[in-house]
Amino acid sequence: GDSVTQMEGPVTLSEEAFLTINCTYTATGYPSLFWYVQYPGEGLQLLLKATKADDKGSNKGFEATYRKETTSFHLEKGSVQVSDSAVYFCALRPRHAGTSYGKLTFGQGTILTVHP
Amino acid sequence: DVKVTQSSRYLVKRTGEKVFLECVQDMDHENMFWYRQDPGLGLRLIYFSYDVKMKEKGDIPEGYSVSREKKERFSLILESASTNQTSMYLCASNKAGSTNEKLFFGSGTQLSVL
Repeated sequence: GDSVTQMEGPVTLSEEAFLTINCTYTATGYPSLFWYVQYPGEGLQLLLKATKADDKGSNKGFEATYRKETTSFHLEKGSVQVSDSAVYFCALRPRHAGTSYGKLTFGQGTILTVHP
Repeated sequence: DVKVTQSSRYLVKRTGEKVFLECVQDMDHENMFWYRQDPGLGLRLIYFSYDVKMKEKGDIPEGYSVSREKKERFSLILESASTNQTSMYLCASNKAGSTNEKLFFGSGTQLSVL
């Protein structure tokens, strides 16, 4: 079945450091790919998405590129801030989702802590 | 501002109790979902509903049931709570149709079963 694997966490960085959170997936066909972020005490919210190969999603300084050849969707940010401290989830939606377009498969989540 | 509201932020129940988790959305969304979130396991889909009175099992439906009598409300029911159901429960919704894949989440209910 479909699955998403994220890099092991937690990740601890100093402010202004470069961030990479790895995400690879297994799916039939060409799924849509997402990054969601969960700030402390809140629900998840969509950070960025890509719906086809070579698409780049971007938002709030974060970027991720849909790489079909490596089945990856790594999240990057050039200079993190303390306010980026959160849990980050990679997710996919398969093309054959049928009636529901919200049946996402999530990765394990990666806790990011940024220190001043 | 669009909202998905879960009735309780924290809930403590005893083994064997019947537990109701409520979720309400104000966005007129057709689709509603219940996930549970556990450390190291990410989010796993319990049940979802794509219309009033319609429901489908997700990946881990055992020990749970759901109810959707009105479009805006989706309830998760633990018929007889067990300690392995201690978890964070997240409700989500979105509009039907391929042009909108974004899920809107509630803040979650942390359930402890003692």
